[in-house]
Amino acid sequence: SQQGEEDPQALSIQEGENATMNCSYKTSINNLQWYRQNSGRGLVHLILIRSNEREKHSGRLRVTLDTSKKSSSLLITASRAADTASYFCATAGSYQLTFGKGTKLSVIP
Amino acid sequence: DAGVIQSPRHEVTEMGQEVTLRCKPISGHNSLFWYRQTMMRGLELLIYFNNNVPIDDSGMPEDRFSAKMPNASFSTLKIQPSEPRDSAVYFCASRTTDEAFFGQGTRLTVV
Repeated sequence: SQQGEEDPQALSIQEGENATMNCSYKTSINNLQWYRQNSGRGLVHLILIRSNEREKHSGRLRVTLDTSKKSSSLLITASRAADTASYFCATAGSYQLTFGKGTKLSVIP
Repeated sequence: DAGVIQSPRHEVTEMGQEVTLRCKPISGHNSLFWYRQTMMRGLELLIYFNNNVPIDDSGMPEDRFSAKMPNASFSTLKIQPSEPRDSAVYFCASRTTDEAFFGQGTRLTVV
């Protein structure tokens, strides 16, 4: 079964705008990770946030984690056309890495 | 390192035939995952191995599916017999502790 659920399913924005994607999950986690998938390719790891962290930054990416609400958000600032892809959250337990269905982001030049 | 290597990249087969997908994880990674991706169901975890041992195969859809990891550098996912509903992209991923590294996937079409 899917652990993480992303929202929205699809998002279309203009280049330069910020994009926010949300992820909700059901059980306790060790960490939560965000991945990106370009069409026809494998997933690529973007950023990881541990269960004892609340916020993390990496370049134009900002991730937050609220373990009390079992939710996370990914913010991409100053989006570029090259950011067009699907974005997935993944919850990590002792061994498992379980993905949601993803948010399809389209950045219009 | 060349990353996670999957073969073949594309496979078209007739219903009822046996299909074998192959994966070479990154050297030194002790966990290996097999996922299936479809538009309808998204990315489903089929099975994962830790130190070559299957830890959880509850995601394997039916007995027609089987996976092996005979050594740390090779894993296979076999479907026998294949059915049209098995058509999907199958991904292999490996990791040590945190981030997973994915292969490019095998696009399977069963006609």
